[in-house]
Amino acid sequence: DVKVTQSSRYLVKRTGEKVFLECVQDMDHENMFWYRQDPGLGLRLIYFSYDVKMKEKGDIPEGYSVSREKKERFSLILESASTNQTSMYLCASRRAGVPGTGELFFGEGSRLTVL
Amino acid sequence: GDSVTQMEGPVTLSEEAFLTINCTYTATGYPSLFWYVQYPGEGLQLLLKATKADDKGSNKGFEATYRKETTSFHLEKGSVQVSDSAVYFCALSEVTGGGNKLTFGTGTQLKVEL
Repeated sequence: DVKVTQSSRYLVKRTGEKVFLECVQDMDHENMFWYRQDPGLGLRLIYFSYDVKMKEKGDIPEGYSVSREKKERFSLILESASTNQTSMYLCASRRAGVPGTGELFFGEGSRLTVL
Repeated sequence: GDSVTQMEGPVTLSEEAFLTINCTYTATGYPSLFWYVQYPGEGLQLLLKATKADDKGSNKGFEATYRKETTSFHLEKGSVQVSDSAVYFCALSEVTGGGNKLTFGTGTQLKVEL
């Protein structure tokens, strides 16, 4: 079975803390994505990565950075967490090839609360 | 830019009722269209997809037809079950111009009661 694993299901952090969200996939997928999910706003793309050491900004990259040192791992970093970053964070992966038709595989999500 | 508009929820139905969740899109090229489903406490998973006009995607009793003339991809099921309670997301992906990301709608929560 294909699997995308997000290391933390629930996190509580304080304003100003540095936060790492880790995502690992076991499908040898080239493409990986970070979304945030908020009520009434759906999913919004933060960053994505075509392949190792490559990254592209999504629609809402401000306040976030990413790291992709190995193909299977894609990390989302909040350098200085703020309360407006309280959200559900979803990681996804996809095989490269035909972007328009490729299925995204999602992790279960990491719910981050910033106090 | 590309966008997806879904009907707002929650939608509450009795078991065995007919379901329609409306989805319309705006895109400059020729997108592929998707429905993803998120069950409580889980990540999203692909429910069905259609890659060109007039294609019908289907899975688990759900269907959606890619209508280019009305820019729509409405999700339907003839008889819903309690286990279909979830949040449903419509999404599009452009085939041309890179298209390495999906644009999602805001999601529609479905509650099915006995």
